[in-house]
Amino acid sequence: EAGVTQSPTHLIKTRGQQATLRCSPISGHTSVYWYQQALGLGLQFLLWYDEGEERNRGNFPPRFSGRQFPNYSSELNVNALELEDSALYLCASRPQGFYEQYFGPGTRLTVT
Amino acid sequence: GEDVEQSLFLSVREGDSSVINCTYTDSSSTYLYWYKQEPGAGLQLLTYIFSNMDMKQDQRLTVLLNKKDKHLSLRIADTQTGDSAIYFCAETDSGNTPLVFGKGTRLSVIA
Repeated sequence: EAGVTQSPTHLIKTRGQQATLRCSPISGHTSVYWYQQALGLGLQFLLWYDEGEERNRGNFPPRFSGRQFPNYSSELNVNALELEDSALYLCASRPQGFYEQYFGPGTRLTVT
Repeated sequence: GEDVEQSLFLSVREGDSSVINCTYTDSSSTYLYWYKQEPGAGLQLLTYIFSNMDMKQDQRLTVLLNKKDKHLSLRIADTQTGDSAIYFCAETDSGNTPLVFGKGTRLSVIA
């Protein structure tokens, strides 16, 4: 069974640009979570999607947004990039009725 | 808000046991997890425990939970060099809500 996949692996953007990160959950998993892992800040929750709806968002500005598609894959968009958005962005998926979150390998976003 | 604390570093000799500790503040924490992160990689779910359990064993891994002290530990028996990684403790109160992570413990295994 394939795990959670994320693309791209690395992304380099300039301050002010927009970034789009993609996540495909494990087959059969309906919930997708996004986390940011920035140096010195640990892992912080960004967004949670379930059945196509945004269920919860963390303490991040509105320029962090996303969506979940009918096939349960998800996209994270970051607008007006700032230098401090440089981080590893991790996606996790969870099957309905279970409590384990499985993570993908992450997208390393570098903002210059 | 919820907080999860871990010591930052642990160094052990190959073949010894490693014990990684974690404390949490949220008394409604129901599900507690241990994840492993190797350099440049995502998080690998190692094991998890429900708050109605006090111990769980899975091959070389033993998780102990002390609900009264809000203390969770992960013991790795016969630690190998391949166990060198960062280990994260995480908790959630309802299982489907976002995880709250500790800052991670970097385990170094000396050959």
